[in-house]
Amino acid sequence: DIQMTQSPSTLSASVGDRVTITCRASQIISSWLAWYQQKPGKAPKLLIYRASSLESGVPSRFSSIESGTEFTLTISSLQPDDFATYYCQQYDSFPWTFGQGTKVEMK
Amino acid sequence: QVQLQESGPGLVKPSQTLSLTCTVSGDSITSSGYFWSWIRQHPVKGLEWLGSIYYNGRTYYNQSLKSRISISVDSSKNYFSLRLSSLTVADTAVYFCARHDTSYPFDYWGQGTLVTVSS
Repeated sequence: DIQMTQSPSTLSASVGDRVTITCRASQIISSWLAWYQQKPGKAPKLLIYRASSLESGVPSRFSSIESGTEFTLTISSLQPDDFATYYCQQYDSFPWTFGQGTKVEMK
Repeated sequence: QVQLQESGPGLVKPSQTLSLTCTVSGDSITSSGYFWSWIRQHPVKGLEWLGSIYYNGRTYYNQSLKSRISISVDSSKNYFSLRLSSLTVADTAVYFCARHDTSYPFDYWGQGTLVTVSS
């Protein structure tokens, strides 16, 4: 199985901060990576697909880049609605696997 | 607008079989070319893909569940189902159903249903 490792597990930030979350795959996944945002009691919401493509309706302050097996999600200016947990997920091969999550909390 | 809705028991006893249903509206399970999936979220272990069924009925399972899992489709009622047998407390989780494509991740999700395994 492909292991997805996210860091950090928790991140404290303020509104307006630039936030970066890293996800590393245990092998090459050829850009088959998605990012999700999840709020308490809700299902995950798709933000990014194909490593760097923004899902329709997602604000442009979210972006992602790929470098080999490392992927970085950036929120350019953190907004109050962005405090949530973020997950990466590979869909290169079954079983599809998720990172363990990064909780973005208020500083 | 595609919508998915999980339904099933909230409490199941150890060793029993869990049966969950995901009713889909706004899309046809058997004609749209998508995969229809089950994912669960443990409080500690995080998100785990359980398995998917393709619109043509072909299934893909997480081998970690071995022979305990089965996913099926009822095309007449436009829903798909999960059966998970030999339950233990480790199967306690929120269970989600979701849709994905061969080259696209989970874009539509149900709201999730909490399943507790306890005697």
